[in-house]
Amino acid sequence: AQKVTQAQTEISVVEKEDVTLDCVYETRDTTYYLFWYKQPPSGELVFLIRRNSFDEQNEISGRYSWNFQKSTSSFNFTITASQVVDSAVYFCALSESYTGNQFYFGTGTSLTVIP
Amino acid sequence: DTEVTQTPKHLVMGMTNKKSLKCEQHMGHRAMYWYKQKAKKPPELMFVYSYEKLSINESVPSRFSPECPNSSLLNLHLHALQPEDSALYLCASSQKMYYEQYFGPGTRLTVT
Repeated sequence: AQKVTQAQTEISVVEKEDVTLDCVYETRDTTYYLFWYKQPPSGELVFLIRRNSFDEQNEISGRYSWNFQKSTSSFNFTITASQVVDSAVYFCALSESYTGNQFYFGTGTSLTVIP
Repeated sequence: DTEVTQTPKHLVMGMTNKKSLKCEQHMGHRAMYWYKQKAKKPPELMFVYSYEKLSINESVPSRFSPECPNSSLLNLHLHALQPEDSALYLCASSQKMYYEQYFGPGTRLTVT
């Protein structure tokens, strides 16, 4: 079973629009971590955020915000006032305390921001 | 400094060649990883080193051979690869188990 599901394969938005990328996860562990990564066309995976299972506070960093809801096992990512530089593939990932160093990546959402 | 470096950036090799990919980090991280990524797919874990010992080997063919000479360096030795091994190979490191991994820029490998 897929531990991390990103149902949106591709999204296109016009510049300055807001966009939300969905992430749903599955785990039986009580201690786990959730992550978002950005992979621009250059290929390097860039770490954006880590959230642990005990901290459901939403987070905002500039135009980026994240909404973590344990009740729905979701960790969604919103980009406000999107820019062309936001065009990339975004991966959500999960790590569990009992599996140690293993990351479970979602299949990624390819975001295209049209100028 | 959250930099992980990888060399070379690009590599083209024949199926009979032997080559090595190199990865280095100076963040004091004790876990290092090799991933393989095909186009439009998420990274697939190949190997994990924790405190310089191989702790996870995801049933990778023996034509890929990892090596961790010290806590800052990670190598991936390649031998007798197949065309389907062409991919982006990513190295990553993390401070602790299940914490965020920092990725290098990757090596784009083409096997001819």
